[in-house]
Amino acid sequence: AQSVSQHNHHVILSEAASLELGCNYSYGGTVNLFWYVQYPGQHLQLLLKYFSGDPLVKGIKGFEAEFIKSKFSFNLRKPSVQWSDTAEYFCAVNGYRDDKIIFGKGTRLHILP
Amino acid sequence: DTGVSQDPRHKITKRGQNVTFRCDPISEHNRLYWYRQTLGQGPEFLTYFQNEAQLEKSRLLSDRFSAERPKGSFSTLEIQRTEQGDSAMYLCASSLGGDRDPTGYFGPGTRLTVT
Repeated sequence: AQSVSQHNHHVILSEAASLELGCNYSYGGTVNLFWYVQYPGQHLQLLLKYFSGDPLVKGIKGFEAEFIKSKFSFNLRKPSVQWSDTAEYFCAVNGYRDDKIIFGKGTRLHILP
Repeated sequence: DTGVSQDPRHKITKRGQNVTFRCDPISEHNRLYWYRQTLGQGPEFLTYFQNEAQLEKSRLLSDRFSAERPKGSFSTLEIQRTEQGDSAMYLCASSLGGDRDPTGYFGPGTRLTVT
């Protein structure tokens, strides 16, 4: 069965710290991978996505993620976080021929000013 | 605004009542998805449509839940005989789907509270 595991449920960082949020997925086939973000009071927004090609993908607001196929991982990174990055982050996967998107439980990120 | 819209944004109902939610997808998107999100969890897939055809339903979708997309445009999700456990945020998303672009674009959600 498809599943997504996010390593941290709650992360607290100070501004300018580096960020890495872990994500591992389970799926027997070619996948598309996503990171979504939900800012307080707002709806889910796409942060970045991987379909094929360069395994290092860049998204909005300075975020990037690296797909490591051998590790079934798609970790999210940002070299220097800002207070405005406070949000909940969801890793998600769908199979290349399977249209439903499966989400992880989310990581709540809190940035201290 | 050309994004996904949902109506109502909030619904409070008494246990046992029926409720219906509406989703209007991005106009050229032929895929439409319903998800449910409870506190501390990621969105859980409920069902999806390719145009007007309902292609897959999750086991989470009990017989009290029904979804339609009659003309391949907007969709409705009805919950009959609501229970307190139905309290959640119901999310709608749309996409071009498949080989074109499977990225789901989400609406603001309908928050259901069953008292």
